[in-house]
Amino acid sequence: DAKTTQPPSMDCAEGRAANLPCNHSTISGNEYVYWYRQIHSQGPQYIIHGLKNNETNEMASLIITEDRKSSTLILPHATLRDTAVYYCIVRVAADYKLSFGAGTTVTVRA
Amino acid sequence: DAGVIQSPRHEVTEMGQEVTLRCKPISGHNSLFWYRQTMMRGLELLIYFNNNVPIDDSGMPEDRFSAKMPNASFSTLKIQPSEPRDSAVYFCASSERGQAGELFFGEGSRLTVL
Repeated sequence: DAKTTQPPSMDCAEGRAANLPCNHSTISGNEYVYWYRQIHSQGPQYIIHGLKNNETNEMASLIITEDRKSSTLILPHATLRDTAVYYCIVRVAADYKLSFGAGTTVTVRA
Repeated sequence: DAGVIQSPRHEVTEMGQEVTLRCKPISGHNSLFWYRQTMMRGLELLIYFNNNVPIDDSGMPEDRFSAKMPNASFSTLKIQPSEPRDSAVYFCASSERGQAGELFFGEGSRLTVL
């Protein structure tokens, strides 16, 4: 039961902003949107999460549409080290389960 | 800070042998998770501990798999006997706030069963 839909892959030019879309049309009112990424041969790494409002931290920005049915993760200035699989996950805050889908393979090119 | 520490990083064994994977969570974290990653099935949650107590082991594939957390700073995942289909990368993760907190993953243990 896929809760999120992401494009399987995307390319991005180094130094440019990378905009990663995620559809979660069946999201419930108490579900958060989480983003993790997994660089090759490493464990997944938390990036950011949000409920309704847009969020920003040192790694990325998260833009959630007003109806909450989709979101976009923005890497403001992509570097080669941002090449990874990016996972968009919806989860109730009180739920310990983090279910990873296939994610989006992002390749940053010089 | 050391992060989540897993050992061994790589393990190659023969079918039928016992395999023990180890994990040291981040100090102060009260929740620990074991995940398995394969090309076919992606990342799957195997078991979740909270305050050293197993809360959900519904993801453990079968009785050949067992996990323990004898104290807050150590956990093991054991496979006995191992089978080729157990070949995967096994990740341990810990969380400070359990249910709502972000998960910190280790580097993983890559298991190959011949």
